[in-house]
Amino acid sequence: DVQMTQSPSSLSASVGDRVTITCRASQSISTYLNWYQQKPGKAPNLLIYGASSLQSGVPSRFSGSGSGTDFTLTISSLQPEDFATYYCQQSDSFPRTFGQGTKVEIK
Amino acid sequence: QVQLVQSGAEVKKPGASVKISCKASGYTFTDYWIHWMRQAPGQGLEWMGWISPNSGGTSFAQKFQGRVTMTRDTSISTAYMDLSTLTSDDTAVYYCARGVATPGARCFDPWGQGTLVTVSS
Repeated sequence: DVQMTQSPSSLSASVGDRVTITCRASQSISTYLNWYQQKPGKAPNLLIYGASSLQSGVPSRFSGSGSGTDFTLTISSLQPEDFATYYCQQSDSFPRTFGQGTKVEIK
Repeated sequence: QVQLVQSGAEVKKPGASVKISCKASGYTFTDYWIHWMRQAPGQGLEWMGWISPNSGGTSFAQKFQGRVTMTRDTSISTAYMDLSTLTSDDTAVYYCARGVATPGARCFDPWGQGTLVTVSS
C-alpha cells in the first residue's frame, strides 16, 4: 500500500497568511494526487485533483503542485472560511490511501 | 446538480450487520463507480472499496475482505454497503463518493453527507 504522510499535522495561522501543506508518498504516484477540505461535521470536499488542477467552483487562492512523491497545497491568502482540515489522497493504485490530515486553526 | 444522499444514522450491537444506502441523482448512475470510505471519531479517512454500478463488479480493501458487501439497484440509482460482524472499532461515519476518472486524474466527487454508525452493547 502507498503510505501518505502530511506535514504539519496542525498549524495556526492568521487571516491573510500564506499557508503551505506538504504531502509525501511512500513511492512515486506520478500526479495522481488529490486534496480535500473537510469542515467539522461535514463530508470532505474536493479542492485539487491531478496534483494541480483546481476543481470547478474552488477559489483561485488554492493551488497544488508536485509530482512523483512530493506534493504541496498552498493557500495564498487565508480566509475565515478556510479554517478546516485538509487531506491528501493518492489515486495511483489500490487501495486508495489518505494522508492523516492537517488541521488549519485560527491564530 | 450531482448529489449523493445517504441513509440515516444507525445504532447496532456488536456482532450485528449494518446496511447503508447511497442514492445518486443529477447524472447517469451507471457511468461512474461508487467508492465507500469511513472516518472513526476524531480520526482520518479510510477507503473501503468500490462498486461499478454498470457491471456490479466490486473490489475491497484487504482489511474488509469477507466482512463487506457492496451492491446496487440501478432502477433506483442506489448503491449499498453492508458491513457484518460489527465491533466497537467499526463506530464511524461512513461516506459514499462518486469516483471520477479522466486522463491523468482520478478523484472522489461529490461525497454523500455521511452516515454515523454507532456500535454499542
